[in-house]
Amino acid sequence: NAGVTQTPKFQVLKTGQSMTLQCAQDMNHEYMSWYRQDPGMGLRLIHYSVGAGITDQGEVPNGYNVSRSTTEDFPLRLLSAAPSQTSVYFCASSLRDSVSTDTQYFGPGTRLTVL
Amino acid sequence: DAKTTQPTSMDCAEGRAANLPCNHSTISGNEYVYWYRQIHSQGPQYIIHGLKNNETNEMASLIITEDRKSSTLILPHATLRDTAVYYCIVRVASGGGADGLTFGKGTHLIIQP
Repeated sequence: NAGVTQTPKFQVLKTGQSMTLQCAQDMNHEYMSWYRQDPGMGLRLIHYSVGAGITDQGEVPNGYNVSRSTTEDFPLRLLSAAPSQTSVYFCASSLRDSVSTDTQYFGPGTRLTVL
Repeated sequence: DAKTTQPTSMDCAEGRAANLPCNHSTISGNEYVYWYRQIHSQGPQYIIHGLKNNETNEMASLIITEDRKSSTLILPHATLRDTAVYYCIVRVASGGGADGLTFGKGTHLIIQP
């Protein structure tokens, strides 16, 4: 199993540009989520999904869209990039039952810089 | 979720057991103890979790005190690759809700050669 994969590893955008961060998992996990991690800070949940066709907002959803058309893929779209979105983005997945959802498997991250 | 307290940093010699403590004196009966780690520039990695009993897997052992107010993560034979920030998280099993994992400041474990 490849686990959770993310592309690209690095990205530089100009303010106002849009882009999609890709996330895929091959573990047949129902639950997938996106976090951002700012320097010296913990992870903050952006959006999550409990299964194909179902998404919901986390703690910091503004400026981001998600969709879940398949179990495997959970892309994160930045609609109009802002410097405040400069961060490291992690995708995670897990089985969906009460305890297993908190045993999450993280991807390697995408380091995004918005100029 | 219950508050946790961890030392800011710890050193351990390579090949020795690394014992990382975590205090969670306000833990409630239905809250689990989870441990994650984050190696520099990588995504967090799940290590182990437990409710009441001690747990062991291929990565580590988790010792939870009888009153559940503290726990210790044990890496039995630490290697240089175990240098990372280790996070102790106490929470009710979420079942996939909107409250994501909350990583505090954790313990920066440095394995010395």
